[in-house]
Amino acid sequence: DQQVKQNSPSLSVQEGRISILNCDYTNSMFDYFLWYKKYPAEGPTFLISISSIKDKNEDGRFTVFLNKSAKHLSLHIVPSQPGDSAVYFCAAMSFGNEKLTFGTGTRLTIIP
Amino acid sequence: DSGVTQTPKHLITATGQRVTLRCSPRSGDLSVYWYQQSLDQGLQFLIQYYNGEERAKGNILERFSAQQFPDLHSELNLSSLELGDSALYFCASSVASNGELFFGEGSRLTVL
Repeated sequence: DQQVKQNSPSLSVQEGRISILNCDYTNSMFDYFLWYKKYPAEGPTFLISISSIKDKNEDGRFTVFLNKSAKHLSLHIVPSQPGDSAVYFCAAMSFGNEKLTFGTGTRLTIIP
Repeated sequence: DSGVTQTPKHLITATGQRVTLRCSPRSGDLSVYWYQQSLDQGLQFLIQYYNGEERAKGNILERFSAQQFPDLHSELNLSSLELGDSALYFCASSVASNGELFFGEGSRLTVL
């Protein structure tokens, strides 16, 4: 049972434009959500997070939006840069339970 | 560099064999997590240790076991290996309980 889903395996975006990566979850007990970025031959690195008490969190070029009623979150990257080309994983957890549930990832390619 | 060290980086072995994967967490991090990433899959949580004690368990097979030693390094033992155990095994560590994990580069296991 895939509790965190990233339905787009890949996405290509022109440099300078906005990249939007989507994630859906099914478990209503999840109350904290994170995005991780992974380059080839490296481990995932934490990018940005959001608590369920918020609907938006911004950090520089990265903004995460959470729609609890739709059980959907998205990561916006603007403007997109070539160095943003990577695999992005959405993850979710419940506070008090440190187990992260990951999606299958979206490969983002920024076209120069 | 996340500060988390995993060895070996690559391992090729045969079905039925046993292997040990090793992880050194970031200095000061008491929690160690093990994740498995199979082809086209997200990261699947296996197990978490905190200061030498098992804290949480995921879908870890009975053929797999782990431990965390007094110096906080951890080992994941995989026995009676099957073809389907071929995967990337990640170790991560953290100091907080907010899902922000620091991942190693992974150990790629190939079972032939």
